[in-house]
Amino acid sequence: SQTIHQWPATLVQPVGSPLSLECTVEGTSNPNLYWYRQAAGRGLQLLFYSVGIGQISSEVPQNLSASRPQDRQFILSSKKLLLSDSGFYLCAWEGMNTEAFFGQGTRLTVV
Amino acid sequence: QKEVEQNSGPLSVPEGAIASLNCTYSDRGSQSFFWYRQYSGKSPELIMSIYSNGDKEDGRFTAQLNKASQYVSLLIRDSQPSDSATYLCAVNNRGSYIPTFGRGTSLIVHP
Repeated sequence: SQTIHQWPATLVQPVGSPLSLECTVEGTSNPNLYWYRQAAGRGLQLLFYSVGIGQISSEVPQNLSASRPQDRQFILSSKKLLLSDSGFYLCAWEGMNTEAFFGQGTRLTVV
Repeated sequence: QKEVEQNSGPLSVPEGAIASLNCTYSDRGSQSFFWYRQYSGKSPELIMSIYSNGDKEDGRFTAQLNKASQYVSLLIRDSQPSDSATYLCAVNNRGSYIPTFGRGTSLIVHP
């Protein structure tokens, strides 16, 4: 069965520091992968999606970037975090019927 | 701009009652419809999917879809305190692998 791993679960980072969040998927090949952010009291905001290795589409211009170095690996990065980057970051993969399956999420607090 | 609208709530129902959660969407080309449950501090979990007009039942959950009215709902029968969570509606257009999420409805089931 397919599983998705996301880490770390929580992270506290100072403003201006770099960020790297990693997501890996097991049990499926060439999945479509997504990064979402959920700010406090707000809905899910799509940040990036990828249909294959090296293929990244950005939905929202910001100081975040994403990379897909391997088929089942999706990385979210930032060179310098802002306070507004705080939120709940969720990696997801697309199932056979276009549904999204989420990882456990990373709670990021920028201080 | 594809939009998915939900009443933020909270919707408060007594234990054993039927909880009715509603969602409207703007894109008439939408083909796939999903309901997710999100407990506080956790990631969304897919609980129901529906693709054609009518009702789909799964245990205590029933999803209802009316494409003409661009309306999808989730009924929870015999509501339990453990059903207390935020319920997210998500909609996909055929050919799009990017689900659009509503902001969610908070459900509180009180004993």
